[in-house]
Amino acid sequence: AQSVTQLDSQVPVFEEAPVELRCNYSSSVSVYLFWYVQYPNQGLQLLLKYLSGSTLVKGINGFEAEFNKSQTSFHLRKPSVHISDTAEYFCAVSPRRGMDKFYFGSGTKLNVKP
Amino acid sequence: DTAVSQTPKYLVTQMGNDKSIKCEQNLGHDTMYWYKQDSKKFLKIMFSYNNKELIINETVPNRFSPKSPDKAHLNLHINSLELGDSAVYFCASESGATYEQYFGPGTRLTVT
Repeated sequence: AQSVTQLDSQVPVFEEAPVELRCNYSSSVSVYLFWYVQYPNQGLQLLLKYLSGSTLVKGINGFEAEFNKSQTSFHLRKPSVHISDTAEYFCAVSPRRGMDKFYFGSGTKLNVKP
Repeated sequence: DTAVSQTPKYLVTQMGNDKSIKCEQNLGHDTMYWYKQDSKKFLKIMFSYNNKELIINETVPNRFSPKSPDKAHLNLHINSLELGDSAVYFCASESGATYEQYFGPGTRLTVT
C-alpha cells in the first residue's frame, strides 16, 4: 500500500522569501510523484511531476521539486514566493502500474504575507 | 475549451433528496475519477472508471452510484442525501500517456 505525508498543514511566509513544502511517501512499489496546487474555490492544477530521469524537476510558476529515493521524499521549493502563490498544495503518488489510484497527501496551506 | 467540466457548480438541497452531478472531459482520456473533498481539504477517492468500466470502488455508501454512459462522461448520483454528504466533489480524468490527472472545477454540495 501507498501513503503520503505532508507534515506541515500550514506554512506562513513573507513575500519574496524562499519556501519549502515537505512531502514524504511510503510505497512497496516504484511510484510516480506529483504536486498539485488548489487556488481558493478552484479545482486542482498540476504544478510538476516526476516520472523518471533527472531527480530535480521544474514546474510552472517557478516551482521545483527534488525526488530523493533514499529518503522517500519529494519536497517542493520556490526561491521567492509571491502573494499569488497563496493556495493549498497537494503531494500525490501513483504506483507505476496501470489502473491504480492516486494517493494524495492531506495538503499544505501556503500563506504568503506582504 | 474546458478540459474537464462539471455541472452544477453549486448545489444546495435538503436532507433526503436525490441529486446528480455531471462530468464531461474532452481530452480523450480513458480513465475518470470522482473525489470528495471535505471541509479540511482532505481529498478522498470515491470511484474510478476506465473506458466505461468500474475499476475502483472505495468504501463509499451505496447511496452513491456512478454511471459512465461513455468514456467522456462520468456522472454521480446520490440518493437520500445526508448532512455529512456536504463537501466539494471533484471529477478528474487521467492521461494514460503522462499519468497526470486533470481536475474539474468542483461541485460544492450543501445539504441542509
